[in-house]
Amino acid sequence: ETGVTQSPTHLIKTRGQQVTLRCSSQSGHNTVSWYQQALGQGPQFIFQYYREEENGRGNFPPRFSGLQFPNYSSELNVNALELDDSALYLCASSLASGLGTGELFFGEGSRLTVL
Amino acid sequence: SQQGEEDPQALSIQEGENATMNCSYKTSINNLQWYRQNSGRGLVHLILIRSNEREKHSGRLRVTLDTSKKSSSLLITASRAADTASYFCATALNTDKLIFGTGTRLQVFP
Repeated sequence: ETGVTQSPTHLIKTRGQQVTLRCSSQSGHNTVSWYQQALGQGPQFIFQYYREEENGRGNFPPRFSGLQFPNYSSELNVNALELDDSALYLCASSLASGLGTGELFFGEGSRLTVL
Repeated sequence: SQQGEEDPQALSIQEGENATMNCSYKTSINNLQWYRQNSGRGLVHLILIRSNEREKHSGRLRVTLDTSKKSSSLLITASRAADTASYFCATALNTDKLIFGTGTRLQVFP
């Protein structure tokens, strides 16, 4: 039990649609990171938010965007869905560099299928 | 892109045997971490080793780090069926932006 919850757990969308995935971080954690994990692969870093500002981004196009709110909740939005966006999306919370152990606390993920 | 690769990609052993997984990475790091993932679920942190450490233990886990070779190994002693999972190494340039490897799928047979 990591104290990080994600919703929905599963969803199906069609190509071209938009999706919003939600995450509730562990209380007191001011940093949230999002990862995409394709089947059989390791998690790929999408971006990180620290105190509601984007604080680093991986190799993902601008149609992947995020928001972080003061109440420890956050969102991942993906526009113009493509078939390759089908994956498990993982949210992880942590304390900012220098303040925490460096450990990430993961939610159980949202499995997105794009048809 | 992945920072590193785990080796082997898959490992099958009997209960009671030891399991060793290796991780290679490409750039300088602040720390290296190992995570476990049960099938299709979230990742769970196992152990963190800092760049100035060479070995660390936690219960049945032993992690080594060789920064000159940019490699790490995870040893699970006296494996149990419940250890069946995928194991990932992850490296951090700074503390919180982790880059994961490709993973080792461990199967422990009763």
